[in-house]
Amino acid sequence: EVQLLESGGGLVQPGGSLRLSCDASGFIFSNFVMSWVRQAPGKGLEWVSALSLSGTSPYFADSVKGRFAISRDNSKNTLYLQMNSLRVDDTAVYYCAKVVGWSHFDFWGQGTLVTVSS
Amino acid sequence: QTVVTQEPSFSVSPGGTVTLTCGLTSGSVSDIYYPSWYQQTPGQAPRTLMSSTNIRSSGIPERFSGSILGNKAALTITGAQADDESDYYCVLYMRSGIWVFGGGTKLTVL
Repeated sequence: EVQLLESGGGLVQPGGSLRLSCDASGFIFSNFVMSWVRQAPGKGLEWVSALSLSGTSPYFADSVKGRFAISRDNSKNTLYLQMNSLRVDDTAVYYCAKVVGWSHFDFWGQGTLVTVSS
Repeated sequence: QTVVTQEPSFSVSPGGTVTLTCGLTSGSVSDIYYPSWYQQTPGQAPRTLMSSTNIRSSGIPERFSGSILGNKAALTITGAQADDESDYYCVLYMRSGIWVFGGGTKLTVL
């Protein structure tokens, strides 16, 4: 059974940093592109970032480019999202998602809440 | 900037049929964008319904179907049930590792 478990969310001040983790199980992690998707309170889903199998090719939405970094440790079956220079509008539930090919998201974690507030 | 469009809200009667659409403010949606659809109820993670236009995910009832209608991707629910009342999101793969979600459609069944 595929499981994705996000952690690392919490309250942070504007300008601060946070690192999210996504622990994966139930599939061969190194064989799949992985992604982060977020959802601000009461808003829709927003794609944030994706990372290739080897971790050498990261992709970002314009809204987070230059502030967020994505990485993975295939030996630990874990995906990361390093978030720097956080802004109030980064407040959201952050979901980890398994990607099929470069087409769609087939499994989702339950999400972790990031709140950016002073 | 690419904007993916969805109807903000839709209403359907129990047992009725509804078609939600997913378009682009500039251009047409086709299979090359691998349109996919997701269902989300409040407080829950999204659930994958449909991928690559019309491939139903495992466990998704046959009353859900996907297609390209004109210049948009479409999700049709035939024989709507009360528990289909949810938010529905489409997403398009824009190539080069980038996806763009639509704003979502809030479906009411009444």
